Amino acid sequence: AQSVTQLDSHVSVSEGTPVLLRCNYSSSYSPSLFWYVQHPNKGLQLLLKYTSAATLVKGINGFEAEFKKSETSFHLTKPSAHMSDAAEYFCVVSVNTGRRALTFGSGTRLQVQP
Amino acid sequence: GAGVSQSPSNKVTEKGKDVELRCDPISGHTALYWYRQSLGQGLEFLIYFQGNSAPDKSGLPSDRFSAERTGGSVSTLTIQRTQQEDSAVYLCASSYRTSGGLETQYFGPGTRLLVL
Repeated sequence: AQSVTQLDSHVSVSEGTPVLLRCNYSSSYSPSLFWYVQHPNKGLQLLLKYTSAATLVKGINGFEAEFKKSETSFHLTKPSAHMSDAAEYFCVVSVNTGRRALTFGSGTRLQVQP
Repeated sequence: GAGVSQSPSNKVTEKGKDVELRCDPISGHTALYWYRQSLGQGLEFLIYFQGNSAPDKSGLPSDRFSAERTGGSVSTLTIQRTQQEDSAVYLCASSYRTSGGLETQYFGPGTRLLVL
């Protein structure tokens, strides 16, 4: 079985400052990890994914995440926040067996202040 | 190309009525998933279709929920005798399943269901 814990339900930053959204996972198998973003009244969009290649993963819109097996973490970062980054972010885990369904974290709402 | 589409985008129904939600996956995608996003439960897996194999229904919350996928393409999620706790956003995702690494699931915009 696998699970995901997003450590912050809400994060507020000022425009131009760094973003850190924290995620810890648990998995019985080697996991694949994803970050999805959901803007208000929009569908889920894939930001980036880790599938056992490079541990530092670069995604769209300047986001990146680092897989740390020893810490079972997959935190999402961005050097400089934009107003358009305000959205809900989901950390997601899956394994390459069976149905491969995604297990979602509870989400972190990112607010960007002008 | 076209992404995953879902219809209707919004559905309001009365308690006890049946509803049907439709998903059109990306052309050529062999795997199709239904998820539910609700305030109390977050995002949770409901059912999975892969090619002609029997679907994995292990996430369906009750026997009032069923789904089918015709011709390996369009899928319909049916909720019978709707209850207020069924109110949620129902999301469909599709992917091209390979024998290698984990593929990316692409999500539709969802159907927002409100049961009065």
